[in-house]
Amino acid sequence: EIVMTQSPATLSVSPGERATLSCRASQSVSSNLAWYQQKPGQAPRLLIYGSSTRATGIPARFSGSGSGTEFTLTISNLQSEDFAVYYCQQYNNWPLWTFGQGTKVEVK
Amino acid sequence: QLQLQESGPGLVKPSETLSLTCTVSGGSISSSSSYWSWIRQPPGKGLEWIGSIYYSGSTYYNPSLKSRVTISVDTSKNQFSLKLSSVTAADTAVYYCARPMSGFDPWGQGTLVTVSS
Repeated sequence: EIVMTQSPATLSVSPGERATLSCRASQSVSSNLAWYQQKPGQAPRLLIYGSSTRATGIPARFSGSGSGTEFTLTISNLQSEDFAVYYCQQYNNWPLWTFGQGTKVEVK
Repeated sequence: QLQLQESGPGLVKPSETLSLTCTVSGGSISSSSSYWSWIRQPPGKGLEWIGSIYYSGSTYYNPSLKSRVTISVDTSKNQFSLKLSSVTAADTAVYYCARPMSGFDPWGQGTLVTVSS
């Protein structure tokens, strides 16, 4: 099983600033990595797939990068609606998909 | 637009079997390259992939749950189902159905299942 580790667990950021979230895989997942946003009481929403491709309708302030074992989600100019929990997920070890434990982005 | 909707009992007794159904609308569950998945999230915790099924019936399960999980598909009803046996309080969670492509998308809204006597 590929273990996904996200850091930090909680990130405190002021509106308008940039948030940088990290995700590390226990072995290479190539670029087969997705990011999700989850707000309280809602299902996760796909933000990024293929490490860096934004899903349909996702604003350009969300960007992803990385390959192999190290990945980053950057949220520029944080808006009020961006405060949420973010998960990474690998789909390289198909069909044994695994998620990270999540990073909560909160208001500083 | 493809939509998924979970349904089933919200309360299950310990040692019994949890049963949920996901209804797919806006598209055929039999379309090529379509796998269909169940994912769960205990209250306040992260996401756990439970298992997936291909429209033809091939299944893949999380090794940690494999002995208790059965996923099936009913193409005539455009539905797929989850059964989790011998449940305990640790199985209390929001259960989601979702389609895995490059990432899971879309997701159902989720249904909370509580295991309690």
